[in-house]
Amino acid sequence: NAGVTQTPKFQVLKTGQSMTLQCAQDMNHEYMSWYRQDPGMGLRLIHYSVGAGITDQGEVPNGYNVSRSTTEDFPLRLLSAAPSQTSVYFCASSYSNPGTEAFFGQGTRLTVV
Amino acid sequence: AQTVTQSQPEMSVQEAETVTLSCTYDTSESDYYLFWYKQPPSRQMILVIRQEAYKQQNATENRFSVNFQKAAKSFSLKISDSQLGDAAMYFCAFKGAGKSTFGDGTTLTVKP
Repeated sequence: NAGVTQTPKFQVLKTGQSMTLQCAQDMNHEYMSWYRQDPGMGLRLIHYSVGAGITDQGEVPNGYNVSRSTTEDFPLRLLSAAPSQTSVYFCASSYSNPGTEAFFGQGTRLTVV
Repeated sequence: AQTVTQSQPEMSVQEAETVTLSCTYDTSESDYYLFWYKQPPSRQMILVIRQEAYKQQNATENRFSVNFQKAAKSFSLKISDSQLGDAAMYFCAFKGAGKSTFGDGTTLTVKP
């Protein structure tokens, strides 16, 4: 099993550009989420989804869009990149059951110049 | 909404010694789980240990154990016989019905 696959691993964008970070999981997990991690800080929730067709905002949603058309995929779109969005982005998935751990992708290091 | 607080941004321990990382949380849910994750410099998040809220017995995984105090909403991680490979950022996480909430993390340095 591949687990959670995030692409790309690294990306440099110019201010104002848009892009999509891809996230796919093959574990049939209902719950998927996107976090950003700034240097020396914890994980802040951007958006999450409890199933196909259902998404909701997390703690820091501004400047990002998501959609969940299938159980497997949960892409994150940056609409107009800003230097403040320079961060490491993690996608995670889990079953909705509280006892199950979250599985994380390898992260995407994004730099906006 | 749930909150998770890790009050120690940084900790250090001598190799082979024991260190305890603190975590407190706030919730009104009765059915939940608590987790500790490790994030080494590779950035890969790794599950260290989990605790069911309804179990009084503290979870143990080899050199890692927790001190779970449900009434105090406290969930600390003890690492015994610390090794150089334990150096990482450690995150405490709460999971109830649906999403997980993470603390800000504690960076652990292990001195040889």
